[in-house]
Amino acid sequence: EPEVTQTPSHQVTQMGQEVILRCVPISNHLYFYWYRQILGQKVEFLVSFYNNEISEKSEIFDDQFSVERPDGSNFTLKIRSTKLEDSAMYFCASSDRGSYGYTFGSGTRLTVV
Amino acid sequence: QKEVEQNSGPLSVPEGAIASLNCTYSDRGSQSFFWYRQYSGKSPELIMFIYSNGDKEDGRFTAQLNKASQYVSLLIRDSQPSDSATYLCAVNRNRDDKIIFGKGTRLHILP
Repeated sequence: EPEVTQTPSHQVTQMGQEVILRCVPISNHLYFYWYRQILGQKVEFLVSFYNNEISEKSEIFDDQFSVERPDGSNFTLKIRSTKLEDSAMYFCASSDRGSYGYTFGSGTRLTVV
Repeated sequence: QKEVEQNSGPLSVPEGAIASLNCTYSDRGSQSFFWYRQYSGKSPELIMFIYSNGDKEDGRFTAQLNKASQYVSLLIRDSQPSDSATYLCAVNRNRDDKIIFGKGTRLHILP
């Protein structure tokens, strides 16, 4: 069964450092998403991406965040200057039919120290 | 503020019994409703979605929707220990809209 692949599975970074979280969506999917889940909290929407551009972003997705689809297969989330409160599990998801068929990746646990 | 509310639990149900999970939502413009299952430390996985009032059955799972009451539920029949997980209710307005998740209900099936 096709999978959404996320790397790394766990990343520890120092406050103020830049991190890039990587995702390989399912190959024929056109809709891409990033969500995050702070420990014990709900899964929160960050950004959606379709047709090579951001289609929607949340209030959380401020200027510290950016997304790219650099080579037609990868989908990345960059956090420019990490803060302690960015520590969370970050999930990538992709779909071939908008929100009706999200497949989530296994997540990247980001720990900011 | 669009919200999805769920009782956080834990909800304990004996093996073989019916587990009933409930969810309310505040945005009357919501059109599609989802139930995801999330095991501890894992990503959410879609169980089923519903967009019409009434019941929708898939195996041991039945989703129920009442848009007038802004209420969604999930019934799990013949509960198994492997059903122990957090169940996330989620909604959106249309196919192109983001999905908004509730905080989830922890379900514990007692062997």
